[in-house]
Amino acid sequence: SQQGEEDPQALSIQEGENATMNCSYKTSINNLQWYRQNSGRGLVHLILIRSNEREKHSGRLRVTLDTSKKSSSLLITASRAADTASYFCATVSFQGAQKLVFGQGTRLTINP
Amino acid sequence: DTAVSQTPKYLVTQMGNDKSIKCEQNLGHDTMYWYKQDSKKFLKIMFSYNNKELIINETVPNRFSPKSPDKAHLNLHINSLELGDSAVYFCASSPRGGSGETQYFGPGTRLLVL
Repeated sequence: SQQGEEDPQALSIQEGENATMNCSYKTSINNLQWYRQNSGRGLVHLILIRSNEREKHSGRLRVTLDTSKKSSSLLITASRAADTASYFCATVSFQGAQKLVFGQGTRLTINP
Repeated sequence: DTAVSQTPKYLVTQMGNDKSIKCEQNLGHDTMYWYKQDSKKFLKIMFSYNNKELIINETVPNRFSPKSPDKAHLNLHINSLELGDSAVYFCASSPRGGSGETQYFGPGTRLLVL
């Protein structure tokens, strides 16, 4: 069954603004990862946050994780047109085989 | 230079046909995966192989048969194609298949069944 659910499903902002995307999941996790997918392309890994971490930064990206609420957020600061893409969260649980379980993604459009 | 490559990029075929998609990674990874992305962009794992051994087999119809001739290659053969098989199929790899690893994705194969 689908684990992660992103919110919003689509987001359109002006270049230079910050973009925030949220992800909720259902079961206990080992870690949560965010991926980007440009139109017609494969997924590219952005950042991984472990279950014992609360916040992580990578360049203009900031990810938070709240395991009590089973939710994560991805913040992109000072957005650029090149950030236009779909963003997916994926969880890895403690149980069973190690596999990524993806949400349906947030389609982000940055308007110039 | 391509890390994870897939062929073909596009595949258009008739219902009932049998087709194969090939995947190769030059990253030296032990683990490879097949994912299916449907029209709503929902991405779901199908199979995972570690060093040529099947370790994940989700509830996929047995018309789908993965084959890993060596750890750098993972092919997907689909028998008796159905309309519902139309999707984008992604191959991915990771170093050892561990939980804290990044997965590296190929560009995808867009399958359209008519």
